[in-house]
Amino acid sequence: TQLLEQSPQFLSIQEGENLTVYCNSSSVFSSLQWYRQEPGEGPVLLVTVVTGGEVKKLKRLTFQFGDARKDSSLHITAAQPGDTGLYLCAGDNSGGATNKLIFGTGTLLAVQP
Amino acid sequence: DAGITQSPRYKITETGRQVTLMCHQTWSHSYMFWYRQDLGHGLRLIYYSAAADITDKGEVPDGYVVSRSKTENFPLTLESATRSQTSVYFCASSATRPSYEQYFGPGTRLTVT
Repeated sequence: TQLLEQSPQFLSIQEGENLTVYCNSSSVFSSLQWYRQEPGEGPVLLVTVVTGGEVKKLKRLTFQFGDARKDSSLHITAAQPGDTGLYLCAGDNSGGATNKLIFGTGTLLAVQP
Repeated sequence: DAGITQSPRYKITETGRQVTLMCHQTWSHSYMFWYRQDLGHGLRLIYYSAAADITDKGEVPDGYVVSRSKTENFPLTLESATRSQTSVYFCASSATRPSYEQYFGPGTRLTVT
């Protein structure tokens, strides 16, 4: 059973378009993170959200944590080819008791120039 | 060099052979993790370690063995490799709880023939 479902699984868009990636669960998470992974490399952390309703911005990327802390979204404005990669959400549903994370299945984004 | 490294980066082995994947980190992070990444499954936790000589199973531990005699090293052994263990394996580390960020190595691509 996958606790974190991401949608869409694949997304191919043109440079300059906007997009949103969703990360949903029926479980409550004490924190949720977004990672980006490029081919041949390990995931790299983009952001961590910990408070329900929290919104964080990282240049053209906007991250939101749902009020109930069960879901999150990543919105990219004016996508660029450099945004291409696999986006993974990951959450801690242990209440901070461990450092273990549960990862979503990922969204593969391709931005065409 | 500082960081987290994995070796080998690529490995081809035959069914039934024993294989050990190495992971080394220079940050003295308490926590270390082994994941496997397969299409459609995202990252799944195999084993993790909270400190030297403390290890615990993750989501998919069957067929794998770990040890952690030193803080900086966390080898993963496939005792008798099977084709279903063909995957990309990632090692990660994080600082003492609570810590939200996991730092990933570059991965080892393992093929079992």
